[in-house]
Amino acid sequence: DAGVTQSPTHLIKTRGQQVTLRCSPKSGHDTVSWYQQALGQGPQFIFQYYEEEERQRGNFPDRFSGHQFPNYSSELNVNALLLGDSALYLCASSMDWQETQYFGPGTRLLVL
Amino acid sequence: AQKVTQAQTEISVVEKEDVTLDCVYETRDTTYYLFWYKQPPSGELVFLIRRNSFDEQNEISGRYSWNFQKSTSSFNFTITASQVVDSAVYFCALRNGNKLVFGAGTILRVKS
Repeated sequence: DAGVTQSPTHLIKTRGQQVTLRCSPKSGHDTVSWYQQALGQGPQFIFQYYEEEERQRGNFPDRFSGHQFPNYSSELNVNALLLGDSALYLCASSMDWQETQYFGPGTRLLVL
Repeated sequence: AQKVTQAQTEISVVEKEDVTLDCVYETRDTTYYLFWYKQPPSGELVFLIRRNSFDEQNEISGRYSWNFQKSTSSFNFTITASQVVDSAVYFCALRNGNKLVFGAGTILRVKS
């Protein structure tokens, strides 16, 4: 049973560029949440997707957007990258919003 | 406001010692869920336990045990006979609606 998978594992971008991160949930899970984890800090909630719609959003600017596909996989897009966007981006999936979230290995983004 | 505090930034122990990681939370909800996750150097958050606010029974799983006390808003985690493989960052989290609110984490270093 495959767990949550994310791609790519690492990414280097320059300021002002745009990036797309991808996530495939665990089998049987239909809800995907995204978190940003800066170095030395706990993960911060970005948003959650269910039935292809954004259900809840954290305190992140509109430069952060997402999408969920019919197969429940999800993308996180970040536009106009800033140096401060450098972080580990974690995707979590769950059977629905009330159930335990299981995390993927993350994508490490470095913005130069 | 929902908040999780892990006051211990870093703990170092010698193998076979017992260690307790502290977690204090704040919430106005009467029903809530608490979690512990482990983050090894690889970066992936590994789910350890979920506890709802109505169940104050302590739980033991192998060398791991959890002490939940609503009266002090604490959900502490004890590792008995620590091993080098326990070295990781441990996060306590509180579910707030659809999202998880994480503490800052405690770095545990177990030396042989």
